[in-house]
Amino acid sequence: GNSVTQMEGPVTLSEEAFLTINCTYTATGYPSLFWYVQYPGEGLQLLLKATKADDKGSNKGFEATYRKETTSFHLEKGSVQVSDSAVYFCALARSNDYKLSFGAGTTVTVRA
Amino acid sequence: ETGVTQTPRHLVMGMTNKKSLKCEQHLGHNAMYWYKQSAKKPLELMFVYSLEERVENNSVPSRFSPECPNSSHLFLHLHTLQPEDSALYLCASSHTGNYGYTFGSGTRLTVV
Repeated sequence: GNSVTQMEGPVTLSEEAFLTINCTYTATGYPSLFWYVQYPGEGLQLLLKATKADDKGSNKGFEATYRKETTSFHLEKGSVQVSDSAVYFCALARSNDYKLSFGAGTTVTVRA
Repeated sequence: ETGVTQTPRHLVMGMTNKKSLKCEQHLGHNAMYWYKQSAKKPLELMFVYSLEERVENNSVPSRFSPECPNSSHLFLHLHTLQPEDSALYLCASSHTGNYGYTFGSGTRLTVV
C-alpha cells in the first residue's frame, strides 16, 4: 500500500539555522508528493508539491525535490525564522487517485 | 468567499448533547473529507465523499454521522460523544485528481 514516513520530532532550531525534514515514501507507480504546514491553532495549508520525478517544489523559502531513485521528498529551508514554527506533514497521492496518505507530522520550533 | 470554511471554530458539548459541525467550500471541488486530529497522534481519516456519495468510512463509531447534501457542503453530526472524542476536526476538499487538498481551519471540539 501507499505510505509516507517522515522523521520524528520535535525539532528545535535557532533562527537562521538550516532545516531539513526527511520524508520517504512507498507507492506503486508515480505518485504526486506534497508538503503541508500547520501553524498553531490552524488547519493544514499546502506548502509545496511535485508531481513527477526530479521536480522541485518551492514556496516561502522551502524546497523539496522528488527523488524517485531514493523514494524521497525531503523538505529544506536555508534560514528559518520564528514564524516557521509549525507542524510539517509529508503526503502522497497515487496516480489517478485523489486520496492523500499523510505522514505523522514533524513539529518544528524555531527559537529567537 | 473562497477556500474551505468550517463552523464553529470552537465547540464545547456535554456527552448527552447533539451538535453538528459544518464545512463549506466554494472551490468547485467534488470530493470532501473529515479528519480527526488528536494531540500527539497522526491525522485520522474519518469519511470521504466523492460526488456527494460516501466512498470511505474508516471504522468510525456511529456517534459520528456525516452528511453531504451537495458538493459544496459537508456536515458531521455528533451525538452522545465521549471525552476521548475531544480533538480538532478538520474538513478538506479536492478535485478527484491528485492535486492535493484544501483544508479548513478546523473545529476544536471539547467533550465534557
